Amino acid sequence: QQQVKQSPQSLIVQKGGISIINCAYENTAFDYFPWYQQFPGKGPALLIAIRPDVSEKKEGRFTISFNKSAKQFSLHIMDSQPGDSATYFCAASRGGSYIPTFGRGTSLIVHP
Amino acid sequence: DVKVTQSSRYLVKRTGEKVFLECVQDMDHENMFWYRQDPGLGLRLIYFSYDVKMKEKGDIPEGYSVSREKKERFSLILESASTNQTSMYLCASSLTSGRGGELFFGEGSRLTVL
Repeated sequence: QQQVKQSPQSLIVQKGGISIINCAYENTAFDYFPWYQQFPGKGPALLIAIRPDVSEKKEGRFTISFNKSAKQFSLHIMDSQPGDSATYFCAASRGGSYIPTFGRGTSLIVHP
Repeated sequence: DVKVTQSSRYLVKRTGEKVFLECVQDMDHENMFWYRQDPGLGLRLIYFSYDVKMKEKGDIPEGYSVSREKKERFSLILESASTNQTSMYLCASSLTSGRGGELFFGEGSRLTVL
């Protein structure tokens, strides 16, 4: 059973456009929602994270939107750049557990 | 900065060989993990360890074992490699007291089994 569902699997965006990646979760006990960014040949690295007590968190061009009632959260990349081309993973974990549940990843390509 | 080092970036092994993948972290993290990454399947947890000599099975432990004799080192062992174990293997570490889910990953070990 896939506890964190991520879509789309792949995404192609033009430079300057908005990239949107969506995730949905099942377990209402999850209380920490990080996003990881992975460049080719590298391991994933934490990009941005949110807790359910806020509906939005912004760091530069990256924004997480969180909808607790719908059990959904999304990553928005504004003014997408070719350097943003990477694989993005959403994840969720719950208090007391140090093991995140990952989505299957989204391969983002930003064309110049 | 936290550094997680995987000793082998690329390995080519033959079916039936015993394979060791080594991982070392330098930040005194309690927890260490081994993931497998395959296209379309994301990151799948093989094993994790929350203390020296302690280990727990993840989602796909079959065909793998692990060893953690020292806090900083976590090894993944393929007792008899098979072609379906061709994959990218990622090691990660985290603090128990840190934000739940904040993992620090190594750069990966790409294993090809012929």
